[in-house]
Amino acid sequence: ELKVEQNPLFLSMQEGKNYTIYCNYSTTSDRLYWYRQDPGKSLESLFVLLSNGAVKQEGRLMASLDTKARLSTLHITAAVHDLSATYFCAVDRHNTDKLIFGTGTRLQVFP
Amino acid sequence: DAGVTQSPTHLIKTRGQQVTLRCSPKSGHDTVSWYQQALGQGPQFIFQYYEEEERQRGNFPDRFSGHQFPNYSSELNVNALLLGDSALYLCASSPNIQGWQETQYFGPGTRLLVL
Repeated sequence: ELKVEQNPLFLSMQEGKNYTIYCNYSTTSDRLYWYRQDPGKSLESLFVLLSNGAVKQEGRLMASLDTKARLSTLHITAAVHDLSATYFCAVDRHNTDKLIFGTGTRLQVFP
Repeated sequence: DAGVTQSPTHLIKTRGQQVTLRCSPKSGHDTVSWYQQALGQGPQFIFQYYEEEERQRGNFPDRFSGHQFPNYSSELNVNALLLGDSALYLCASSPNIQGWQETQYFGPGTRLLVL
């Protein structure tokens, strides 16, 4: 059974600081996704990572994938308050759009 | 393009009742997946519909059933509601294209409260 674990579960950061969220998954998988969710809202797609060594960046967020280690990271550079949200990674093992989500990381950025 | 739409936005039911949630996929998308997100947790895959048939199913009881119509819209039905069915129900759509390399598109969700 595919399991997806994220850490930390909760992250409180000061504006301007850097930090990394980790996503581990238990079995070989085709795709890895990162989503953002604001309170009471739906999921906003951030990144889709398809192959080993893939790196994607958008603004202050950068995601990477190491399929050998079954690990993805979401790196936050110089955090700002607008980044406060819950971040989920999700894995699609067989490229069938059946996503298995991690537990989520709740990020709070304070002045 | 309206994107993925869901109705209703909120719903309150009592234990034992039945509920139907609706989803219209993004234009051009023919595959619809449903997820349940309990408070403070990640979404869990319920099932997926393609060509009006259930193609994949997650670990949910038979009380959860669905349907897809010829226009690709979909319904999620839950019978004999339990308090634990209270959650945000998310619909996601995607096209059934070989080599599709983008994410599914999620709708705004239906928040169900069972009293």
